[in-house]
Amino acid sequence: GAGVSQTPSNKVTEKGKYVELRCDPISGHTALYWYRQSLGQGPEFLIYFQGTGAADDSGLPNDRFFAVRPEGSVSTLKIQRTERGDSAVYLCASSFKAGAGTDTQYFGPGTRLTVL
Amino acid sequence: GENVEQHPSTLSVQEGDSAVIKCTYSDSASNYFPWYKQELGKGPQLIIDIRSNVGEKKDQRIAVTLNKTAKHFSLHITETQPEDSAVYFCAVNGSGNQFYFGTGTSLTVIP
Repeated sequence: GAGVSQTPSNKVTEKGKYVELRCDPISGHTALYWYRQSLGQGPEFLIYFQGTGAADDSGLPNDRFFAVRPEGSVSTLKIQRTERGDSAVYLCASSFKAGAGTDTQYFGPGTRLTVL
Repeated sequence: GENVEQHPSTLSVQEGDSAVIKCTYSDSASNYFPWYKQELGKGPQLIIDIRSNVGEKKDQRIAVTLNKTAKHFSLHITETQPEDSAVYFCAVNGSGNQFYFGTGTSLTVIP
């Protein structure tokens, strides 16, 4: 079946602008995760949804970052007043259910965000 | 939070040789340990995982071993092939539902 999809694949924006990154999880997966991957590093957790609600947003770096998942499927990561330090690959993952972090997470291809 | 260390950061092997990548973690409550392969421009792809109730798991040329007492686990790739060249990440589950990732190992298999 179809895997996790993310759009756009690349996004170039100017400092101070607002961006939205979209994630479409695997059908039937109730848990959705956002990670950020800087060059040469492993992915870092941002936020996790179980259904429509954000169950854990402890990884969001500041209040410029926000994510929604209104219908429990597609999620959008929103970044306000972008800064050059926000440049990274933003990865989305989904899992069938959230079971204390032991359920397999399947990753999308990521969105490469570049802030000029 | 969890502290995951991964070694080596780069690894070159001749085709047909074995490759071993090691990770250590700090939280003794962690009980799920996946390994991901990431090719350039792609997202991480799960290649094997192990849960804390077993010490070893094997899938064809890939195996993972876990020592919960010492808090370390290793990825073993035998009979390496050029298509195994990629960046490999270990991960550990945290107390919530997030994964903590290692810093990655860039594996190059030389034909």
